[in-house]
Amino acid sequence: SQQGEEDPQALSIQEGENATMNCSYKTSINNLQWYRQNSGRGLVHLILIRSNEREKHSGRLRVTLDTSKKSSSLLITASRAADTASYFCAPGGYQKVTFGTGTKLQVIP
Amino acid sequence: NAGVTQTPKFQVLKTGQSMTLQCAQDMNHNSMYWYRQDPGMGLRLIYYSASEGTTDKGEVPNGYNVSRLNKREFSLRLESAAPSQTSVYFCASSEVGAGANVLTFGAGSRLTVL
Repeated sequence: SQQGEEDPQALSIQEGENATMNCSYKTSINNLQWYRQNSGRGLVHLILIRSNEREKHSGRLRVTLDTSKKSSSLLITASRAADTASYFCAPGGYQKVTFGTGTKLQVIP
Repeated sequence: NAGVTQTPKFQVLKTGQSMTLQCAQDMNHNSMYWYRQDPGMGLRLIYYSASEGTTDKGEVPNGYNVSRLNKREFSLRLESAAPSQTSVYFCASSEVGAGANVLTFGAGSRLTVL
């Protein structure tokens, strides 16, 4: 397994704006997941993109994957105060799942 | 449908005391995990169990032991707690399928070691 490295570490935007966060990783993957963590709570799975996919949508979420650059991005459109959370990527894998330090998103009402 | 249940939610220990964190899942998942999260940090994998009867070390296993009691339950034991083990502990479970391993997390157990 490998950790992803999220960037930026922190992001503050106004409600209604779009939020983009990035994930870089080092070795080849089968898929990449994004998770959200609301303050002090367990992580919640948001979306999974497989290595043969370039883009995936789920509601207001759009994830891209560029395997040649070993990077992924998560776009949250029309952000809401309830999107305030930390976001983690998990590049991998079939077994061990490890996480980086995440991007802390603050959406200001 | 409870998902992943962790007990206790909060615990305060003195240095040197022992305790066991319990985790149970009702989703019939094969794999289970224990992570710790320190303030402002990401999650670090302590131990995981790919299936009943197997356990493997993660990134930070020192000072911990685990038991996969059956398919549903995976416990984490601190034999002699140290202040450095003050953290929030998360249990997770998953079923590896269709080339992916999506985790479901518990609500966390907040441990303070004095």
